[in-house]
Amino acid sequence: EVQLVESGGGLIQPGGSLRLSCAASGFTVSTKYMSWVRQAPGKGLEWVSIIYTGGSTYYADSVKGRFTISRDNSKNTLYLQMNSLRAEDTAVYYCGLSSSWGYFDYWGQGTLVTVSS
Amino acid sequence: EIVLTQSPGTLSLSPGERATLSCRASQSISSTYLAWYQQKPGQAPRLLIYDASSRATGIPDRFSASGSGTDFTLTISRLEPEDFAVYYCQQYSSSRTFGQGTKVEIK
Repeated sequence: EVQLVESGGGLIQPGGSLRLSCAASGFTVSTKYMSWVRQAPGKGLEWVSIIYTGGSTYYADSVKGRFTISRDNSKNTLYLQMNSLRAEDTAVYYCGLSSSWGYFDYWGQGTLVTVSS
Repeated sequence: EIVLTQSPGTLSLSPGERATLSCRASQSISSTYLAWYQQKPGQAPRLLIYDASSRATGIPDRFSASGSGTDFTLTISRLEPEDFAVYYCQQYSSSRTFGQGTKVEIK
């Protein structure tokens, strides 16, 4: 059974850094396209970043240069390193699995990041 | 960036009624690379439809979808109480973007 469990969220001051984790089970992260998607309070969904099976990474313009997606194959875990955080980064962050191209067929439960002084 | 515009913003219907949700893209989406998700309060989104019209595993056949190019539709043939939620479309033709959502609420 596929499971995705995010952790690492919390309250952080503007300009700070945070690293989110997404522990996967039931599959191998290095063999799937893995993404981060966020949702600001009361708002819609926003795709943030993706890492492909070959290791290529892509980012939304809103986070490019500040966020880094990565994975640890030995731990079967996906990460999102978030630097220079801003108030507008406040959101629930979900990790999503794409078994095939582009759409997200499995989601974690999300972890809340609050950027505030 | 492909912008997806969903309409209406809110749909007020009664159980048993038919729901028709629209998703319009700012430019043509190639190869019908469009998905639909359902999200209930406090929950992660759930994949309903992928490749514009294919139902995901375990999705009841009262959910159907169609469309191509720039215009896509999700139809719920007869609303069940558990179908009242927010629905999002998402394109994966060029990067990935979501629509702003349509809330289906009980009338």
